[in-house]
Amino acid sequence: AQSVTQPDIHITVSEGASLELRCNYSYGATPYLFWYVQSPGQGLQLLLKYFSGDTLVQGIKGFEAEFKRSQSSFNLRKPSVHWSDAAEYFCAVTSGTYKYIFGTGTRLKVLA
Amino acid sequence: NAGVTQTPKFQVLKTGQSMTLQCAQDMNHEYMSWYRQDPGMGLRLIHYSVGAGITDQGEVPNGYNVSRSTTEDFPLRLLSAAPSQTSVYFCASSYRPTSGSTDTQYFGPGTRLTVL
Repeated sequence: AQSVTQPDIHITVSEGASLELRCNYSYGATPYLFWYVQSPGQGLQLLLKYFSGDTLVQGIKGFEAEFKRSQSSFNLRKPSVHWSDAAEYFCAVTSGTYKYIFGTGTRLKVLA
Repeated sequence: NAGVTQTPKFQVLKTGQSMTLQCAQDMNHEYMSWYRQDPGMGLRLIHYSVGAGITDQGEVPNGYNVSRSTTEDFPLRLLSAAPSQTSVYFCASSYRPTSGSTDTQYFGPGTRLTVL
């Protein structure tokens, strides 16, 4: 069955520290992968996406993600976290259609 | 462009009542979807549409109806509200670029529904 796993429900980091959020997927076809961010009370905003080519993808707000086919992973990274990055982050996968499968999300807390 | 808009932002219903959540997009997107978001469960697809007059069921369709009479609008109807439908509802729309890239879903701000 197709699925997306975000193993960390909560992550706490200090401001200025580096960040890595994990995402693993199980998908039979070639996946298209996304990371979205959701601030409290807001909708989802696209951070970045991968569909082919360079496996290291750059996104908005200084985020990047690396697609590793051998590990079925698409982890999100940021070298230096800002307090405004506190939010919930969702990984999603699709085969190129309109039907997305979302992970359960990782809530990021940033300590001053 | 306003993007994807949803109304209302908040709604409280009593068990058994019916209501319609409104969703509109002004990006001329073919595809529109409804999701519900529950704590610890991420987003789950309720219904989707690939164009005016065409709809289909997603992962959790029971208790919901949709229709797509225009490209812009995709309302979600709760026929007889139940406490299990207490959730945050998101509408999304997407395009399919001619360049061969994947589609990207754009989300509305959500409707927070409480059923008592």
